[in-house]
Amino acid sequence: AQTVTQSQPEMSVQEAETVTLSCTYDTSESDYYLFWYKQPPSRQMILVIRQEAYKQQNATENRFSVNFQKAAKSFSLKISDSQLGDAAMYFCAYRSVGYGGSQGNLIFGKGTKLSVKP
Amino acid sequence: NAGVTQTPKFRVLKTGQSMTLLCAQDMNHEYMYWYRQDPGMGLRLIHYSVGEGTTAKGEVPDGYNVSRLKKQNFLLGLESAAPSQTSVYFCASKPLRAGGRETQYFGPGTRLLVL
Repeated sequence: AQTVTQSQPEMSVQEAETVTLSCTYDTSESDYYLFWYKQPPSRQMILVIRQEAYKQQNATENRFSVNFQKAAKSFSLKISDSQLGDAAMYFCAYRSVGYGGSQGNLIFGKGTKLSVKP
Repeated sequence: NAGVTQTPKFRVLKTGQSMTLLCAQDMNHEYMYWYRQDPGMGLRLIHYSVGEGTTAKGEVPDGYNVSRLKKQNFLLGLESAAPSQTSVYFCASKPLRAGGRETQYFGPGTRLLVL
C-alpha cells in the first residue's frame, strides 16, 4: 500500500521569502500522480499543483514549484515570494494511474501548517 | 455551476443519535468520495463511489454507511453517533477521466460535534 509522509508539522516563513515543504512517499508503482493541496482557514481544499510521475520536468504554477525526485520518492513544494495569503495547511497527496475501483483514490499526508510572518 | 456542496455546514449530535450528511455535485462526475479530517491526521477516506448505485469502503468505514442513488448525490449516514466521530467531513468528486490529469473537487466541509 502506498503511504505519504510529511515530516514537518509546522513551518514558518517571512513575507516575500521562499519556503520549501517536504513530502516523501512510498510506492511500488512506476506511474502515478502527485498533488499539493492548500487548505486555508476557510477549510476549502484547493489544488495548488500536480505532477505526473512519467514527466521528468518539475511542475510550476506561478510562485509554486515542485522538486520531484522520483528515485528518492520525494516531492517537495517551493513557494517563492511568500504572501500572507499563503498561510494555510498544505497537504501532499498521491494517486495511482488508472480508473478502476480504488485506483483513483487520493492518499494524503498529515499536512504541514505554514505560517507567514509580515 | 455550484460545484460540490455539502449539507449541513455544522451539526451537534448527542451520542447514539443518527444523521445523514448530503453531498451534491453538478459537474456530472462519476466518482464521489467522503473523507474525514482530524487534527494531525490529514484526510482519511471513509467510503467512495465509482458510479450511481455503487459504493465501496475506504480506509476508515466503520460506523458509517453511504448511498449513491442518484449520480449527483452521495449520502453519508451515521446510524448511532459516537464522540469518536467528531470531525470535519469532506465530500469530493472527480470525473471518470479528463485527459488523465483530473483531480478531485472538494466541498466546503461539514463540521460535526458528537457530545
